Amino acid sequence: SQTIHQWPATLVQPVGSPLSLECTVEGTSNPNLYWYRQAAGRGLQLLFYSVGIGQISSEVPQNLSASRPQDRQFILSSKKLLLSDSGFYLCAWSVGGLSTGELFFGEGSRLTVL
Amino acid sequence: GDSVTQMEGPVTLSEEAFLTINCTYTATGYPSLFWYVQYPGEGLQLLLKATKADDKGSNKGFEATYRKETTSFHLEKGSVQVSDSAVYFCALTDKLIFGTGTRLQVFP
Repeated sequence: SQTIHQWPATLVQPVGSPLSLECTVEGTSNPNLYWYRQAAGRGLQLLFYSVGIGQISSEVPQNLSASRPQDRQFILSSKKLLLSDSGFYLCAWSVGGLSTGELFFGEGSRLTVL
Repeated sequence: GDSVTQMEGPVTLSEEAFLTINCTYTATGYPSLFWYVQYPGEGLQLLLKATKADDKGSNKGFEATYRKETTSFHLEKGSVQVSDSAVYFCALTDKLIFGTGTRLQVFP
């Protein structure tokens, strides 16, 4: 069966420090991969999605970047964190694209920037 | 652009009460509609979906009907349980836009 792992689960970082959140999927090949952010009082916001190795689409201009170095690995990064980067980050995968609506989510990573 | 509006939470109910969580949407074209659920400490899970007008999605006793005339996709359950306590998200394609989520708290 397919599983998705996301880490770290919780992270407290100072402003200006770098960030790396990792996500891996097991049990499937060539998945579509996504990074969402859930800010307090707001819905999930799609940040990045990837349909293949090295292929990244950004939905919202921001202080973050994403990379897909391997088929089932998706990394969210920042060189210098801002206070506004605080939030709950969710990785997800799907077989089809977003139009199918059927995404499988990881357990999330809570980032607090102080 | 496309958007989803959900009722503010939290929704607090006693066990066996009837549940309605409202969801309305704005979209061009004919989106598919979804309800996701997030149990405490877990990621989101797809609860049910409807792909065209008048479709009814159902799962685990929950139901939602795709109403094109009122642009709504309200989530209902006839008798909630404590284990239904979670955050519920309405969403639509094709970019899978989510609402802000509605927290449901069910007490014995």
